[in-house]
Amino acid sequence: SQQGEEDPQALSIQEGENATMNCSYKTSINNLQWYRQNSGRGLVHLILIRSNEREKHSGRLRVTLDTSKKSSSLLITASRAADTASYFCATDPRYNQGGKLIFGQGTELSVKP
Amino acid sequence: ETGVTQSPTHLIKTRGQQVTLRCSSQSGHNTVSWYQQALGQGPQFIFQYYREEENGRGNFPPRFSGLQFPNYSSELNVNALELDDSALYLCASSRTGMRGTEAFFGQGTRLTVV
Repeated sequence: SQQGEEDPQALSIQEGENATMNCSYKTSINNLQWYRQNSGRGLVHLILIRSNEREKHSGRLRVTLDTSKKSSSLLITASRAADTASYFCATDPRYNQGGKLIFGQGTELSVKP
Repeated sequence: ETGVTQSPTHLIKTRGQQVTLRCSSQSGHNTVSWYQQALGQGPQFIFQYYREEENGRGNFPPRFSGLQFPNYSSELNVNALELDDSALYLCASSRTGMRGTEAFFGQGTRLTVV
C-alpha cells in the first residue's frame, strides 16, 4: 500500500501561474523526496528534504515539510509548459529495512501555454 | 540524464515466460533498487541490492528475483510471467546502502505481458 497521498490528483494551470502540490504520509520519516515523471518515462529527482528541515528551495521549486502534520508541499513558481508532468512524493520511512522509498499516487500537472 | 541506464526499453512477453531486465548504475553508486510502476500508479518497491546482497524486499512474490554484480550493475528476473506483471520497471541507484540519500532513476523498461 502507498504511504503517501497526494493532492490534488490533477492540476491544470496557465503558464506563469504557481502550482502547489501536497503530500501526506503516515509514519515517521528520515526524509521526503519529490520526483517528476514525463509521459511514463523515468523519474527525475527534484529535491530531498530531511526530517529536521522545514523548508528547502531549488530554483523555482520550494518544498516545505511539517512533520507534526506528516505533510509536505511542493510549490513551482512561474510555471512553464515544460513543467507539464506527473509529480510524486516519496518518503524514506524511519523504521523500514532496505532503504526503500514509498511513493504516493502522484499529481498530474498540466501547464497550458 | 542521470547516468542510470536500463535495457531493454520495451519488451513484450507471453504469460508463463521468464524475463530479465538490466540496469547499469550511476558511477560512484553502490546500491540499486528496483520498482514496479503500474499505469496510473506510483512506483512500488520490489527490492534493493547493496554490495551484491539483497538489502530489503517489498511485497513481491519469490518469482521476482535479482542480482547485483561487482561493478554494481543489476538484473531483475521475473519467472512465470502473469498479465498483471505488465508495468514500467524502474531501476534506481544511490551512493550508499544507508538511508538518507537521493535515488536516481533510469528511464525504465516497459514490459507488456500478453
